[in-house]
Amino acid sequence: DSGVTQTPKHLITATGQRVTLRCSPRSGDLSVYWYQQSLDQGLQFLIQYYNGEERAKGNILERFSAQQFPDLHSELNLSSLELGDSALYFCASSVSGGEQETQYFGPGTRLLVL
Amino acid sequence: DQQVKQNSPSLSVQEGRISILNCDYTNSMFDYFLWYKKYPAEGPTFLISISSIKDKNEDGRFTVFLNKSAKHLSLHIVPSQPGDSAVYFCAARSDSNYQLIWGAGTKLIIKP
Repeated sequence: DSGVTQTPKHLITATGQRVTLRCSPRSGDLSVYWYQQSLDQGLQFLIQYYNGEERAKGNILERFSAQQFPDLHSELNLSSLELGDSALYFCASSVSGGEQETQYFGPGTRLLVL
Repeated sequence: DQQVKQNSPSLSVQEGRISILNCDYTNSMFDYFLWYKKYPAEGPTFLISISSIKDKNEDGRFTVFLNKSAKHLSLHIVPSQPGDSAVYFCAARSDSNYQLIWGAGTKLIIKP
């Protein structure tokens, strides 16, 4: 158990809908990362937050947005969903988001868009 | 454009023997490399890392080798154990941003 929690574990929805994925980092970690893993591919970095502020942005679509709240939990919002958004979405956390810090991953949310 | 490549989707090794997982990269700006291990229905777990100033890092049964001239790194597991059966991801980071660039993973199967 990494200490990072993600809800829900599974989500099935329809095209055009909007969903929110939630992540709680490890106790004491200030930085949160979001990744997308499509079938048989590596993880794609989406976005990073540190203590409530956006720190780095990767290949995140404009239909997607995220935020980190004062209690440090984070939410990833996916809107106008398309079939290709079906994937595993992982959240990770680290102490301060430093370059060589270990990231600890949650179990992921599996999203299926029908 | 895949900057980090793991060309073997799967690898099968006898228990007790050495497992060698390979990873190639194209970006010469990468200066820090990591291996993560992933079991089904779980998130990736950090295994071992290496900085570009080193060519080898060892942690118990796990050793990572880095060949910068070839832009190649490998993970050696000796001896291989049944619990090592998992998907192994190679990831790399440059000094210019915080992003980890990931390979597609290699599924390691340890046969009893």
